[in-house]
Formats: sequence, C-alpha cells, structure tokens
Amino acid sequence: AQSVTQLGSHVSVSEGALVLLRCNYSSSVPPYLFWYVQYPNQGLQLLLKYTSAATLVKGINGFEAEFKKSETSFHLTKPSAHMSDAAEYFCAVSSRRAGNMLTFGGGTRLMVKP
Amino acid sequence: GAVVSQHPSRVICKSGTSVKIECRSLDFQATTMFWYRQFPKQSLMLMATSNEGSKATYEQGVEKDKFLINHASLTLSTLTVTSAHPEDSSFYICSARRPQVNYEQYFGPGTRLTVT
Repeated sequence: AQSVTQLGSHVSVSEGALVLLRCNYSSSVPPYLFWYVQYPNQGLQLLLKYTSAATLVKGINGFEAEFKKSETSFHLTKPSAHMSDAAEYFCAVSSRRAGNMLTFGGGTRLMVKP
Repeated sequence: GAVVSQHPSRVICKSGTSVKIECRSLDFQATTMFWYRQFPKQSLMLMATSNEGSKATYEQGVEKDKFLINHASLTLSTLTVTSAHPEDSSFYICSARRPQVNYEQYFGPGTRLTVT
C-alpha cells in the first residue's frame, strides 16, 4: 500500500522568506510523486511531478522539490514567498503497482504574512 | 493541453432532488475518469473510478445507488447525486487520465454542491 504524510497542516511564513512544505511517502515500488496547489473553491493545479528522471524537479511559480529515496521524502520549496502563494498544497503518490491511482496527503495550508 | 472542465461550478438543490455534474476532457480522450469528494479543510477522497463504456468502480463506503456515474464517451463522465440530502453538500472534483500518460491525472475546477 502507498501513503503520503504531510508534516504540518498549517505553515506560516513572511513574504520573501523561504517556503518549505514537507512530504514523506511510503511505497513498496518506485513512486511517481506530485505536488498540487489548490486555491479556495478551485480544483487542483499541478505544481510539479517526479517520474523517475531527475531527482530535483522544478515546477511552476518558482517551486521545486527534491526526491530523496533514502529519506522517502519529496519536500516542496520556494526561495522567496509571495502573497499569492497562500493556498492549500497537496502532495500525492502513485505507482504502477497501485494502478497509477493517486493517494493524497492531508494537505498543508500555507499562509504568507506581509 | 490536458484541460478538464466541470459543469456546473456551483449548484444549490433542495433535499430529495437529484443533481447531475458533468466532467469533460476538452482536448484529449480520457479512457479513465475519477470522481473525488472534498470536505472543508480536508484532503480529496476518491469516490469512484470510471472507464469509458463500463461500469464505475466505487470505493468502499461510497453508495453506488446514490452516486450514479456514467462514462458514456471518451470525453464525458457524469456524476448524479440522487435523492440529495444536506450531508451530501460538498465540493466534488473530477479528474481524467490520458492513456499515453497514465500516471498523471488532470483535474477539473470542481463543483460546489449545496443541498438545502
């Protein structure tokens, strides 16, 4: 079975500060990993994905994530937070063994203070 | 590319009535579509998986007679909430998968259902 744990349901940063959202996964086979962002009353927008190519993945809006197999982690970072980054972020895992079904983490609400 | 739409974006219905939500893949053919439910401040919960031309596969605990799913074409899946009750009020999100990129899902904008 696969699973995702997002540490911290709420993260607050100041504008211009580093953003770090944590995601740890569990999968018995090589995973595909995703980060999505959700703004209020909207669907999910893909930020970035890991599909067994480069371990450092760059996404949209200045976000990036690094796949660390030894730590089973896929943390999301952004060097400098903008007010527009305030949203809900979801980490998700899938794998061929799981029929490429997505399993979501509980989500992390990012708040950006002026 | 890979755009998924949902209609309506918001719907209010009275208790006991049925409401249909459409999910369309606009620029690709989706052999598989998914329906999720999201409660306030919670993550997405998979309700069912639908494959074109076959019956949907429902997750444990999801009432198939209450949440009717039809995937009649490669670009359209519908979710009908039958005999709606206030506890069915939620945010419903669909996603679609392309056969060529079957590890990735493309999400619709969601439908806010309020049952009064």
